[in-house]
Amino acid sequence: RKEVEQDPGPFNVPEGATVAFNCTYSNSASQSFFWYRQDCRKEPKLLMSVYSSGNEDGRFTAQLNRASQYISLLIRDSKLSDSATYLCVVNSDNYGQNFVFGPGTRLSVLP
Amino acid sequence: EAGVAQSPRYKIIEKRQSVAFWCNPISGHATLYWYQQILGQGPKLLIQFQNNGVVDDSQLPKDRFSAERLKGVDSTLKIQPAKLEDSAVYLCASSSGLADNEQFFGPGTRLTVL
Repeated sequence: RKEVEQDPGPFNVPEGATVAFNCTYSNSASQSFFWYRQDCRKEPKLLMSVYSSGNEDGRFTAQLNRASQYISLLIRDSKLSDSATYLCVVNSDNYGQNFVFGPGTRLSVLP
Repeated sequence: EAGVAQSPRYKIIEKRQSVAFWCNPISGHATLYWYQQILGQGPKLLIQFQNNGVVDDSQLPKDRFSAERLKGVDSTLKIQPAKLEDSAVYLCASSSGLADNEQFFGPGTRLTVL
């Protein structure tokens, strides 16, 4: 089993749609969790950290379920500019900082 | 604040040749990472430095890849000799070193091995 797995995608959704991405991780000792966004041929950039209580930033909501080792990202009212690959990142903390990236889920928001 | 700098941005070489990449992290960032990102995949950590010491190089193919961060600031990653499967984007990232801190990525070096 891979350390971090994500929905394979791609997701093609119309503008205004709500879309959810799922991510699972295998290391139960993982300490911190993130969603990064990567535009085509660009570097990854932090979208949001994921906290145990769940957190929201505008149209984006992240949830963490430690018992199920599952992370989700919900995007409401999708915009064309949301088209990108979304990377789930888990800090397994074996060495204090060991960031493992998932393979990413590509989103295309269509007009 | 200046971001993570990398050079070159693009490199094309033939197999069995050598290549080196350079990274200058954000000023004051103690932790520096080198990732390999193959098309269609997420970044894979090659090596992580904390100041000038190696924290994790478990996924670095040490028979051909090497990296150093001698003065705890900028870093170089070398491949010698290159193979076709090394074609990828090599991303450098830095962070302040705290577990929850954001990693900031450079623009990457796109390597093509022919």
